[in-house]
Amino acid sequence: GQSLEQPSEVTAVEGAIVQINCTYQTSGFYGLSWYQQHDGGAPTFLSYNALDGLEETGRFSSFLSRSDSYGYLLLQELQMKDSASYFCAVRDQEGGSQGNLIFGKGTKLSVKP
Amino acid sequence: DGGITQSPKYLFRKEGQNVTLSCEQNLNHDAMYWYRQDPGQGLRLIYYSQIVNDFQKGDIAEGYSVSREKKESFPLTVTSAQKNPTAFYLCASSIRRTQFDYGYTFGSGTRLTVV
Repeated sequence: GQSLEQPSEVTAVEGAIVQINCTYQTSGFYGLSWYQQHDGGAPTFLSYNALDGLEETGRFSSFLSRSDSYGYLLLQELQMKDSASYFCAVRDQEGGSQGNLIFGKGTKLSVKP
Repeated sequence: DGGITQSPKYLFRKEGQNVTLSCEQNLNHDAMYWYRQDPGQGLRLIYYSQIVNDFQKGDIAEGYSVSREKKESFPLTVTSAQKNPTAFYLCASSIRRTQFDYGYTFGSGTRLTVV
């Protein structure tokens, strides 16, 4: 089966940089995604890595190492509005399951002044 | 603007009642999904549908039912057989899976409470 591990909580101060790690175990691999969810809100898609390396989108970057089954989300110049939960997700394996997303339990990021 | 609409935002159910959660999308997405989220937990897949008139069970389908009669609509019924239905329910849609991941679009959720 598939499983993802990420820290349950991270705290950082405004303006700092924070890294949220995710390790995964899958029988097949079709990319690692990241989603942000504010309390009581809808998850929103942040990024997707199919190949090794770093993808940058503004203040957010996402990294993948397929050989290590590991990825991370990097948030720079933290702002108070970045306080949210962050989920990593992988696709289910090819075949009858149709490649649905499997989510980690989420990392709650608290940004302090 | 395109998006996914879930209703109601809050729903209260008495023991032994069935309730139906609505999910409508105007994104022209083929695939739709229902997830359940409990406090401090990730999202767990209840049901999914890749095309109209077809749907499949996810990891925690027991006590739930769905239909997909129209591309735009994917309602979820929480039946009395679901023993612990209090949770936050999220509906999502996506372009049918291709080589690249365009991400899921989520609705704003329905918070269901058993009273």
